[in-house]
Amino acid sequence: SQTIHQWPATLVQPVGSPLSLECTVEGTSNPNLYWYRQAAGRGLQLLFYSVGIGQISSEVPQNLSASRPQDRQFILSSKKLLLSDSGFYLCAWRVQMNTEAFFGQGTRLTVV
Amino acid sequence: AQTVTQSQPEMSVQEAETVTLSCTYDTSENNYYLFWYKQPPSRQMILVIRQEAYKQQNATENRFSVNFQKAAKSFSLKISDSQLGDTAMYFCAFTPQGGSEKLVFGKGTKLTVNP
Repeated sequence: SQTIHQWPATLVQPVGSPLSLECTVEGTSNPNLYWYRQAAGRGLQLLFYSVGIGQISSEVPQNLSASRPQDRQFILSSKKLLLSDSGFYLCAWRVQMNTEAFFGQGTRLTVV
Repeated sequence: AQTVTQSQPEMSVQEAETVTLSCTYDTSENNYYLFWYKQPPSRQMILVIRQEAYKQQNATENRFSVNFQKAAKSFSLKISDSQLGDTAMYFCAFTPQGGSEKLVFGKGTKLTVNP
């Protein structure tokens, strides 16, 4: 069966520090991968999505970047965190555009 | 750009009653897919129902059904016989079929079911 792992679950980082959030999927090949941010319990903002290794589409120009070094690995990064980067980050995957997206447990990031 | 609008930030309903959550979207695509997701306090995202734009028949999943109005670009969710466990954030989502794998969500509606 397919599973998605996202870590860490909670992270507190100082302003200006780097960030690396990792997401891996098991049990499927060539998934579409997504990073979302949910601020203050509200809507899901699509940050990045990827349809294959090395293929990254950015939806919102900002302080973050994403990479997909392996088929089932998706990484969200920042060189220098801002206070505004605080939020709940969700990774998701799905097989095709008409199918259900499966979400990780999320990472709560607090930038202090 | 494709956008999804949920105009009701919060709603409440009495247990066993029916409630309808609204969603509109903006797209120039003719073929696409629409979804409703539920996010309970645990924050785990759960698919509630999906609709293909080329299908005229409204999707139904047990107590959940949609009213899909393609011309109006409207996709509302009806929850019948509301249960306490339906208390959650509900998100409408959209995927265009034309080559993009984007999955865009609305801002959500916080639904509270009262005993």
